[in-house]
Amino acid sequence: KAGVTQTPRYLIKTRGQQVTLSCSPISGHRSVSWYQQTPGQGLQFLFEYFSETQRNKGNFPGRFSGRQFSNSRSEMNVSTLELGDSALYLCASSLAPFTGMGEQYFGPGTRLTVT
Amino acid sequence: GQQLNQSPQSMFIQEGEDVSMNCTSSSIFNTWLWYKQDPGEGPVLLIALYKAGELTSNGRLTAQFGITRKDSFLNISASIPSDVGIYFCAAMNYGGSQGNLIFGKGTKLSVKP
Repeated sequence: KAGVTQTPRYLIKTRGQQVTLSCSPISGHRSVSWYQQTPGQGLQFLFEYFSETQRNKGNFPGRFSGRQFSNSRSEMNVSTLELGDSALYLCASSLAPFTGMGEQYFGPGTRLTVT
Repeated sequence: GQQLNQSPQSMFIQEGEDVSMNCTSSSIFNTWLWYKQDPGEGPVLLIALYKAGELTSNGRLTAQFGITRKDSFLNISASIPSDVGIYFCAAMNYGGSQGNLIFGKGTKLSVKP
C-alpha cells in the first residue's frame, strides 16, 4: 500500500511569508503527527491530530498551526516565517493516536528554506 | 526540559565490525525507540522497547531498555555497507494527553575510507 506522502518536497520562501505543507497518511490511518528536523535541534515534535482534533502539542510558538480533514489528510501552516524555520518538516501517520505502542510511519519530509 | 544525550555523534565502520551506540537521560521514560534515517527519507522504526531491562533483537540489531529507565543502547553486529545512515533514539511516556516523542541528536554511521 502507498506510504505517507508529503507535498511539496521542497519549498523556498521569504521571511515574513506564510507556508502550508500537506501530508496524506497511509490509507486507514487516522492519526497524523508533525515534526521539525534541523541540524541544531534535531527532531522535535510539533503536534498530533486524530479524527480532526489536535491531540498533543509540542513547544512551538503559535505561528505553527495545523489541521486535519475528514479524510485524515493534514496540513501544517507556518505564518510570518523566520530564518530559523528553515528545516525538514516530517509527518508521520499511525492507525490510532501514537502512544509509543504500535508503529508510526514517516513520510519523506518537506524541505523548507526561508531566505 | 527533557532531553536525550546520544553518543557517539558519528562513527566510521568497516564491514564486518560490531557497532554500539547509546542514549541517556536524566528523566525516566517508559518507552524507548530506535530509528534509522537514510538521506532524503523519513526515519524508519528499527526496534521498540517497553519494559525496563528488556532486550530485543531485529536481525543483526539488538537494543536494550536500561534498568533505570533512563537509558538505552543499540548494537549492530557484523555491519554491512547498507547500515550507513543516521540512527536516532527516541523516548516517551505514553498515556494521558502529554505523550510525545523526544529524540536524540543522532549517531551518523559512515564507511571507513
